[in-house]
Amino acid sequence: GESVGLHLPTLSVQEGDNSIINCAYSNSASDYFIWYKQESGKGPQFIIDIRSNMDKRQGQRVTVLLNKTVKHLSLQIAATQPGDSAVYFCAENWDSGYALNFGKGTSLLVTP
Amino acid sequence: EAGVAQSPRYKIIEKRQSVAFWCNPISGHATLYWYQQILGQGPKLLIQFQNNGVVDDSQLPKDRFSAERLKGVDSTLKIQPAKLEDSAVYLCASSLAGWEAFFGQGTRLTVV
Repeated sequence: GESVGLHLPTLSVQEGDNSIINCAYSNSASDYFIWYKQESGKGPQFIIDIRSNMDKRQGQRVTVLLNKTVKHLSLQIAATQPGDSAVYFCAENWDSGYALNFGKGTSLLVTP
Repeated sequence: EAGVAQSPRYKIIEKRQSVAFWCNPISGHATLYWYQQILGQGPKLLIQFQNNGVVDDSQLPKDRFSAERLKGVDSTLKIQPAKLEDSAVYLCASSLAGWEAFFGQGTRLTVV
C-alpha cells in the first residue's frame, strides 16, 4: 500500500489567495520529500524539495513545511495565480535507490 | 538544456497486442526511471536504471513488461501482451544525481 497520501483530493482558491496543500506520510524512515506539479497532458514538474533534517524550506512563492512528529508535509503557495492550477503530488524517498513514492495528488483550481 | 524525450505521445492498441515506448533522457543523466501513472493516481515506479544496469524492478510485472537501456542512454519499455488494466500514461524520468528527477511528457496508452 501507499505510505504517502493527501488529505484533500481537490482544492479551489481565488486568485491572489494563498494555497495550502497537505500530505501525510507513514514511513518514519523517509528522508527526502519532493513536491511536483503536473499540468494536464504533461509530466510532473519539480517544485521544491526538503530533507528530513529540515522543518521549512522556501522557494519562489512556495514554502514547504515538514512536521516529522505527526509525519505531515505541506506546500504553501503565496498569491496563487491561474497558472498554478494543476495537480500537486508529494513524493518521498527512503531508500538509497533514489526512486520516489508518489501520493495520489491534489487538484488545485484557481478561480478569478 | 533539452528535456526528457518520449515517443510516441499516444498509442491505442487492442488487448493481447504488444507495444513499445522509447525514452531519451537528459544528456549526462545516469539514472533513468519508468513510471506508470493510472488516471487519477500518482506515478508508480516500474523500473530504475543506473547507467545500463537495473537498480530496482521490484514493481515491474515481468511476465509481460520488459525494459532495457542499451549503452546507458536511451531506453525502451515493452508490454507484451497488453491487458486492459495497462491503460495509463507511461512516464520516463532521468536524474543526474540524487532525487530530483526530470520527467518527460509521457506516452498515453489506451488498451481496448
